Amino acid sequence: DTGVSQDPRHKITKRGQNVTFRCDPISEHNRLYWYRQTLGQGPEFLTYFQNEAQLEKSRLLSDRFSAERPKGSFSTLEIQRTEQGDSAMYLCASSRIGTGTEAFFGQGTRLTVV
Amino acid sequence: GENVEQHPSTLSVQEGDSAVIKCTYSDSASNYFPWYKQELGKRPQLIIDIRSNVGEKKDQRIAVTLNKTAKHFSLHITETQPEDSAVYFCAASMRRVNRDDKIIFGKGTRLHILP
Repeated sequence: DTGVSQDPRHKITKRGQNVTFRCDPISEHNRLYWYRQTLGQGPEFLTYFQNEAQLEKSRLLSDRFSAERPKGSFSTLEIQRTEQGDSAMYLCASSRIGTGTEAFFGQGTRLTVV
Repeated sequence: GENVEQHPSTLSVQEGDSAVIKCTYSDSASNYFPWYKQELGKRPQLIIDIRSNVGEKKDQRIAVTLNKTAKHFSLHITETQPEDSAVYFCAASMRRVNRDDKIIFGKGTRLHILP
């Protein structure tokens, strides 16, 4: 499968623990996005990268969330001191900048905080 | 920042009839409007997109229209089939040659095709 891949697919964690998710974009894609999706809602923007540069982080995102893309390839999203409200599907998408290219989504990581 | 509103949240149509989903956006600088389909338990997948230099685009049973002046765009599905049942998301973004802005999504429309 040469699409966007995310790991793990599912994560159950206790409140207060830290979690880290990984996203591997399509190889020639220089844009990488992170979204959060809860049941019945659309993907909510969290942050995005162009190559290794983080261009924007949602104002709604607390300081407990951090994302990196150290070499402009894979990316990680870390949530520190998880809360029950962090339970959601975390989606990664990638695209190639410029006109005419779509964003492809990964399968997502479903986080459950208990 | 950009805000995308989508209506209705739920839509039920008889198989064979047409379905229309409407979206509005707030940022007049947005120039790229994709539509994604998400089936239960699966990732969102692009079904059609439109850029601000055109008013309408068709792909078989699916069409999208864009009114830049009013800042709204719509998805039209004709001759609906059971496999069209899914959640549909509209989105807006600004695409430039060297830089793309973030993609902002609507809250989605759950489409039910009734037998």
